[in-house]
Amino acid sequence: GESVGLHLPTLSVQEGDNSIINCAYSNSASDYFIWYKQESGKGPQFIIDIRSNMDKRQGQRVTVLLNKTVKHLSLQIAATQPGDSAVYFCAEKFLNTPLVFGKGTRLSVIA
Amino acid sequence: EAQVTQNPRYLITVTGKKLTVTCSQNMNHEYMSWYRQDPGLGLRQIYYSMNVEVTDKGDVPEGYKVSRKEKRNFPLILESPSPNQTSLYFCASSLTGTGGFSGNTIYFGEGSWLTVV
Repeated sequence: GESVGLHLPTLSVQEGDNSIINCAYSNSASDYFIWYKQESGKGPQFIIDIRSNMDKRQGQRVTVLLNKTVKHLSLQIAATQPGDSAVYFCAEKFLNTPLVFGKGTRLSVIA
Repeated sequence: EAQVTQNPRYLITVTGKKLTVTCSQNMNHEYMSWYRQDPGLGLRQIYYSMNVEVTDKGDVPEGYKVSRKEKRNFPLILESPSPNQTSLYFCASSLTGTGGFSGNTIYFGEGSWLTVV
């Protein structure tokens, strides 16, 4: 079946550097994508989303890029801070079907 | 304050002893859902509900039951828990699961750690 996956299970970055978390999706019909952040002991929190008719969307310190040609989604975090340490999940949605989550990438920020 | 409340947050139980994890939301959301989270597998959906009295299976429904008698509550029932149901469970709600859906309208509970021995 269709699945959402991540290229790297863990990522370590130096404080102040930019982070890039990648996600591959296989359902070319998915029309909506979301990035979530999950801190230890908490539920996932919404970061940013993008619809399939867009290729880039920016938020505060975060940018999501969507490449439909290769079915790839990325989350860029500028000037990574210790508070950004968490597990990041991508999720995809197709019409009224439930969200499908990726396995997650753990981001560790080195002070 | 808008929130999704799960209970219990932590539970250790024995194989075969029926248990219920409650979930309640105070936002008048139509859509509610249960997920389990396991290392290396991410979040997998167990059941979801588009509205009162409407429930559907997610990806991993075996061994679980749900009910949606009221809009605000969506309990997860384990009739005969087994050790492979040891996991972290999340309840989530959103205004709608269909048109107009937006990721920033999904609210997750704090999670319920369940251990079945």
